[in-house]
Amino acid sequence: AQRVTQPEKLLSVFKGAPVELKCNYSYSGSPELFWYVQYSRQRLQLLLRHISRESIKGFTADLNKGETSFHLKKPFAQEEDSAMYYCALYQGNTPLVFGKGTRLSVIA
Amino acid sequence: IAGITQAPTSQILAAGRRMTLRCTQDMRHNAMYWYRQDLGLGLRLIHYSNTAGTTGKGEVPDGYSVSRANTDDFPLTLASAVPSQTSVYFCASSPTQGSGNEQFFGPGTRLTVL
Repeated sequence: AQRVTQPEKLLSVFKGAPVELKCNYSYSGSPELFWYVQYSRQRLQLLLRHISRESIKGFTADLNKGETSFHLKKPFAQEEDSAMYYCALYQGNTPLVFGKGTRLSVIA
Repeated sequence: IAGITQAPTSQILAAGRRMTLRCTQDMRHNAMYWYRQDLGLGLRLIHYSNTAGTTGKGEVPDGYSVSRANTDDFPLTLASAVPSQTSVYFCASSPTQGSGNEQFFGPGTRLTVL
């Protein structure tokens, strides 16, 4: 059963528009969630994690246990945000589980 | 400091051939992982190792084997390659396989099996 769902394979937005990349998870315990990003010709890297409650490159993500979601948001998209984004779930004692990814394309 | 390196960068391989993808890290991380990245399927875990001398199966282990003789190296072997193993392979490491640990990824190996 898929434990991390990213419903959009591709998301296209105009520069300056708000962005929301959706992530839902299924886990009965206390989850730890992450967003990883892969820019063109770069390595996959951690963007942010829910326990840090930080904003990175203008992105934020809030864990909503009631909706089992961890959506990634940014109020004003920039062209350099174009990348592949992966949501990942840590369930305890097993490696991270990644979603299928969403490709964000920011149109100038 | 190199971090985590993979070799080769890319490879074209005939079906049925044996191939080993190399992964080395110099961060003294205990945990290491192998993923394959396929369009529409995202990142799928093949095998992992929580510490030197131990390995575990991930989501898609069939057709692959790993070994972890020391902390730094975590090679992935395809004993008899098949076209469905055409993919981009990523190696990653983390300090431990524990809570909150960031995974650091290598640059990837693009493998084509004909």
